[in-house]
Amino acid sequence: EAGVAQSPRYKIIEKRQSVAFWCNPISGHATLYWYQQILGQGPKLLIQFQNNGVVDDSQLPKDRFSAERLKGVDSTLKIQPAKLEDSAVYLCASSFFAKVDRAFGQFFGPGTRLTVL
Amino acid sequence: AQKITQTQPGMFVQEKEAVTLDCTYDTSDQSYGLFWYKQPSSGEMIFLIYQGSYDEQNATEGRYSLNFQKARKSANLVISASQLGDSAMYFCAMKGTNAGKSTFGDGTTLTVKP
Repeated sequence: EAGVAQSPRYKIIEKRQSVAFWCNPISGHATLYWYQQILGQGPKLLIQFQNNGVVDDSQLPKDRFSAERLKGVDSTLKIQPAKLEDSAVYLCASSFFAKVDRAFGQFFGPGTRLTVL
Repeated sequence: AQKITQTQPGMFVQEKEAVTLDCTYDTSDQSYGLFWYKQPSSGEMIFLIYQGSYDEQNATEGRYSLNFQKARKSANLVISASQLGDSAMYFCAMKGTNAGKSTFGDGTTLTVKP
């Protein structure tokens, strides 16, 4: 079974530029998550999708971040314009269900390491 | 609101010994799940173990066990017979009922000494 795919793996941009990340979840997983992990910290949930609907985006800085999951499969996360403090690893994860149970154990992609100069 | 606290930024353990990584949590949800993940230096996040808030028995998965004390709101991870490959960052996380938000702690770096 293929895992969660993310691209690109690394990205370096200047501040005020735009950047987009792509995620393809495990086949059949209805729930998709985007996390931001700043060095030395735990992942922070940015947005959670259930199929193509948003379940939680309370921690998404909506003035500069946007995300979509068209057709309920793959997803893109965009930052426009980027700031220095956006330097982090952006992790995508998926799970079969959104509800809490053993099957929840989210499967994570390898992440995209963003450096904003 | 949910909060996860991991008070040990770094831990050392001798190979083959057991180690306990601490995790306390706070939530207003009646039903929730607690999770531990391992993040090696390669950056991948690996799911280790799950404990449901209404599970009567502590969860075990191979060398991993979760010491769940609901009244104290703690969910400590116990790794038995540590191996050099266990050296990594370990994150405690929780998720509220149904489609509730997931929250991670700031992690504990475990170093296993030969």
